[in-house]
Amino acid sequence: GQNIDQPTEMTATEGAIVQINCTYQTSGFNGLFWYQQHAGEAPTFLSYNVLDGLEEKGRFSSFLSRSKGYSYLLLKELQMKDSASYLCAVMDSNYQLIWGAGTKLIIKP
Amino acid sequence: DTAVSQTPKYLVTQMGNDKSIKCEQNLGHDTMYWYKQDSKKFLKIMFSYNNKELIINETVPNRFSPKSPDKAHLNLHINSLELGDSAVYFCASSPRVAGVVETQYFGPGTRLLVL
Repeated sequence: GQNIDQPTEMTATEGAIVQINCTYQTSGFNGLFWYQQHAGEAPTFLSYNVLDGLEEKGRFSSFLSRSKGYSYLLLKELQMKDSASYLCAVMDSNYQLIWGAGTKLIIKP
Repeated sequence: DTAVSQTPKYLVTQMGNDKSIKCEQNLGHDTMYWYKQDSKKFLKIMFSYNNKELIINETVPNRFSPKSPDKAHLNLHINSLELGDSAVYFCASSPRVAGVVETQYFGPGTRLLVL
């Protein structure tokens, strides 16, 4: 079966760095997405990785290792507004998105 | 202007009723989706339409019927609502046909509560 695993919840301090991990087992692979979802709101796109390595976009970076079925989202200089759920999703061989349950990130002052 | 909009935002109704949720996108995208997000926060694809044609139809009860009058609209009609239908329903769209990797853009969600 297809499976996306990520931690349920993480806590970090304002100004710090946090890494949210995602492991996956899917039928084929056409890229991995990270989305941010604030409570009561829609998911919004953060990043897309299809090749191994690190993609940097401002305070957020995303890493992919296809051989390990592993990705992480790195958030630097954390701000209170970064408190949200972070969803990992993999596009399978049918170009269908398989979603993880999300990691709820709590930022403390 | 809102890119992907849904109405209503909240829907509270009794078991057995029939209800519809509407979705519109003004992004000029070809593909639209309906997702269900349950209390455990998993997003599950329900349907996908490309240019008004059904391309993904996951295992959902026949009580759920999508309708796409044109490529900018994808509505979801639910018959005989059950308690287990309570969830947040998200509409999304993406620029091109299935088979090409494109980012999906989500609507604000419709929070359905069946009593």
